[in-house]
Amino acid sequence: DIQMTQSPSSLSASVGDRVTITCRASQGISNYLAWYQQKPGKVPKLLIYAASTLQSGVPSRFSGSGSGTDFTLTISSLQPEDVATYYCQKYNSVPWTFGQGTKVAIK
Amino acid sequence: QVQLQESGPGLVKPSETLSLTCTVSGDSVTISDYYWTWIRQPPGKGLEWIGYISYSGRTNYNPSLKSRVTISLDTSKNQFSLMLSSVTAADTAVYYCARSSGYIFPFDYWGQGTLVTVSS
Repeated sequence: DIQMTQSPSSLSASVGDRVTITCRASQGISNYLAWYQQKPGKVPKLLIYAASTLQSGVPSRFSGSGSGTDFTLTISSLQPEDVATYYCQKYNSVPWTFGQGTKVAIK
Repeated sequence: QVQLQESGPGLVKPSETLSLTCTVSGDSVTISDYYWTWIRQPPGKGLEWIGYISYSGRTNYNPSLKSRVTISLDTSKNQFSLMLSSVTAADTAVYYCARSSGYIFPFDYWGQGTLVTVSS
């Protein structure tokens, strides 16, 4: 099975900072990669799919890139409402696997 | 607007079977290309895909749970269900139902989740 590894597992940044989270697949998955945001006590929310396509309604400060095995989620200017855990997920084939998550906090 | 709502017991005894239902509104579970999924999240931990059932009734399960999982579709009630047998404390988690708009598509709609605790 393909494993998804995120880094870092947590980070702390200041409001307005540029934040980057990486996700690596153990085998190539083309661009079948999604990013979810889960705020504390809330349901995961789809942010990005097809590695770089923003889901409707998601602020433009979020962006995704990558293909094959290496992917990134970037928040161009971190806002207080972005405090959350972010998960990548591959969906090219089953089992549909998530990364272990990256917890983002405000410094 | 599509809505999913999980229901079922919040407490299950060890060795028994966990049973949950997801009621879908605003959409039909038989619409072509939709995949209806169960995902779980142990307290303080990450997300784990359990399995899916397609609009046509085809199923696929996480290999780590395959021997204990059954997902079924009830088209008359517009619901799909999860059964997980022989549960242990490790199965304590928030269980989410979710929808994919295709086999190679992520989860675009989620239920609110329901906490199931395995304890005697």
